[in-house]
Amino acid sequence: GEDVEQSLFLSVREGDSSVINCTYTDSSSTYLYWYKQEPGAGLQLLTYIFSNMDMKQDQRLTVLLNKKDKHLSLRIADTQTGDSAIYFCAEKRSYIPTFGRGTSLIVHP
Amino acid sequence: DAMVIQNPRYQVTQFGKPVTLSCSQTLNHNVMYWYQQKSSQAPKLLFHYYDKDFNNEADTPDNFQSRRPNTSFCFLDIRSPGLGDAAMYLCATSGRQTTNEKLFFGSGTQLSVL
Repeated sequence: GEDVEQSLFLSVREGDSSVINCTYTDSSSTYLYWYKQEPGAGLQLLTYIFSNMDMKQDQRLTVLLNKKDKHLSLRIADTQTGDSAIYFCAEKRSYIPTFGRGTSLIVHP
Repeated sequence: DAMVIQNPRYQVTQFGKPVTLSCSQTLNHNVMYWYQQKSSQAPKLLFHYYDKDFNNEADTPDNFQSRRPNTSFCFLDIRSPGLGDAAMYLCATSGRQTTNEKLFFGSGTQLSVL
C-alpha cells in the first residue's frame, strides 16, 4: 500500500466545515504537513504539525494528529469557494517529504 | 514576487526529442528538488541536490538527469521523452534538510509529449 493515503474527493457546501483525512505509515515521522494546490499551480504550504502535538489551530484551519493511529486531519471552518483545490498530506522522515495523492475539495454554493 | 521560478509553464516536445526544464530560486536555499506529478497521483520525487551533492531516487529512470551549475539554478534533462513522461514537473527548494524546513514550490512545468 501507499505510504500516505487520502481519499480522492470531498464535496461540501459553502459555509460548512470541511474535514480532510490522511493516514501515514511511518511512526518516526517528525513533521506532518498540509499543502494546497490550485489549478495549474505548484504546492503551497498551508500548515504543519510537529509529531509531539495533538492539535494545532491557525485561523480557519485546525490540524488534529492521532499518533497512535497514524491519522492526520485538516478541518477548514466556514469553507469558501476559494478553498476549492487539491489538498496534499505529507510526512517528513529524515529529510525527504512524502506526499499523498491529494484530496480534491469541491465547494458548491 | 515569485521565489521559485520554473520555465516554461508549458512545454511540448516530440517523442524521443531531448528536452530541458529549468528552475531558479531567489531564496538562496541549499536544497533543490524535482518532483514528477501525474494526474490524481502523489508528487513523486525524482532527485534532489543538497548544495552540489546529487541524490537520485532508486526508481528514477536513467532517462532523467539533472544539473545544478550554481545555488540559484537547477535543470531537469529528459534525454528521450516517452509518452509516459507527460506530466507536471515541480521544482521545490528548502533551506536545510534536517530541520522543519518548509518546501517552497514553483508553479510547475506541464510537459506534453507528442
